[in-house]
Amino acid sequence: KNEVEQSPQNLTAQEGEFITINCSYSVGISALHWLQQHPGGGIVSLFMLSSGKKKHGRLIATINIQEKHSSLHITASHPRDSAVYICAVIGGGSNYKLTFGKGTLLTVNP
Amino acid sequence: NAGVTQTPKFRILKIGQSMTLQCTQDMNHNYMYWYRQDPGMGLKLIYYSVGAGITDKGEVPNGYNVSRSTTEDFPLRLELAAPSQTSVYFCASSHPGLPPENIQYFGAGTRLSVL
Repeated sequence: KNEVEQSPQNLTAQEGEFITINCSYSVGISALHWLQQHPGGGIVSLFMLSSGKKKHGRLIATINIQEKHSSLHITASHPRDSAVYICAVIGGGSNYKLTFGKGTLLTVNP
Repeated sequence: NAGVTQTPKFRILKIGQSMTLQCTQDMNHNYMYWYRQDPGMGLKLIYYSVGAGITDKGEVPNGYNVSRSTTEDFPLRLELAAPSQTSVYFCASSHPGLPPENIQYFGAGTRLSVL
């Protein structure tokens, strides 16, 4: 069983919809990354958070350490948001080793 | 700053050939990493380095070697390529320390096919 589980695996939305991607993990962590990967492209770090909530433009990330759960929200989704969103955690006594989820493929249709 | 630069972007190898995937970063990061990404799977750590002259194995090191002679460069060597090494390879780097200082920055990836 993967230590980091993401849901859903695939998500299709219409432009303008509110999107939520979930990430659950089973180990103690010091921080959680949300990453974005466009088709055929590189990986970009969106957020790193250890508690609470962070916001950047239309993206919002929240984390509940007690429940071992994080969510990534996209408000007013746009076709350019179409990408794979990856959750990764730093934990297990390490300050730098990441354990990755399998990713959520988001497709936003115009 | 260019960030993390990987070369080549694409490569096709025959079984048994060797090659080196190059990775360089200009952010003066001590920590560098090599990951592979297979379809439907999360990224897996191949090797990592916490500084020049220091390297260590990750989850999936078999069939690979690394060296770290400078802070900037962290090449990944495939000695005898096998079809199982067909994958997309990502290099990343970070500062040491606590979050958010240790956020990882990724290269654009190298898509490798072994036929």
